[in-house]
Amino acid sequence: DIQMTQSPPSLSASLGETVSIECRASEDIYSNLAWYQQKSGKSPQLLIYYASSLQDGVPSRFSGSGSGTQYSLKISGMQPEDEGVYYCLQGSKYPPFTFGSGTKLEIK
Amino acid sequence: EVQLVESGGGLVQPGRSLKLSCAASGFTFSNYGMHWIRQAPTKGLEWVASISPSGGSTYYRDSVKGRFTISRDNAKSTLYLQMDSLRSEDTATYYCATVLGAPFDYWGQGVMVTVSS
Repeated sequence: DIQMTQSPPSLSASLGETVSIECRASEDIYSNLAWYQQKSGKSPQLLIYYASSLQDGVPSRFSGSGSGTQYSLKISGMQPEDEGVYYCLQGSKYPPFTFGSGTKLEIK
Repeated sequence: EVQLVESGGGLVQPGRSLKLSCAASGFTFSNYGMHWIRQAPTKGLEWVASISPSGGSTYYRDSVKGRFTISRDNAKSTLYLQMDSLRSEDTATYYCATVLGAPFDYWGQGVMVTVSS
């Protein structure tokens, strides 16, 4: 099974600050990497797929990059509504689909 | 508008069974694979099971193989998860999700399953 190592576990950012979250796969996942945002008490929402494609309706301050085993999600200009938990997902070799352990993002 | 609505959750004793449903609308259900994903309280997301559009192929995570059965009724646009021999570690919110254009791009609101005596 492919393991996804996500960092950091938590992050505190000021309004307008740029933040980055990383995911490392245990083997090459050929950009089959998605990012999700989960707000408190809500279902996860897709932000980015295929490493860097922005899902419809997602603000352009969210961006994804990476290849091989290393991927990152960047939020350019933290907003209050960006608070939540962020997860990566590998969809290269399945089953099983595997998620990262999550990054809790809060406003400082 | 795509909608996925789960039902059937609740409190159940260890070793007993429960069947979850997910009613789908807003897309041609029979054309898409469907998935169950769960989240234990205060924990992360965990893929549970998947089923092909026809229902002919099913996939499970190791910890639920032989205990859970994913199925679908394309005439009713409904996905199911039959959960047998439930354990305390199965306690979680269960989400159904699909892949219409991108990985897990649509999710239901989730249904809580609590396994406790």
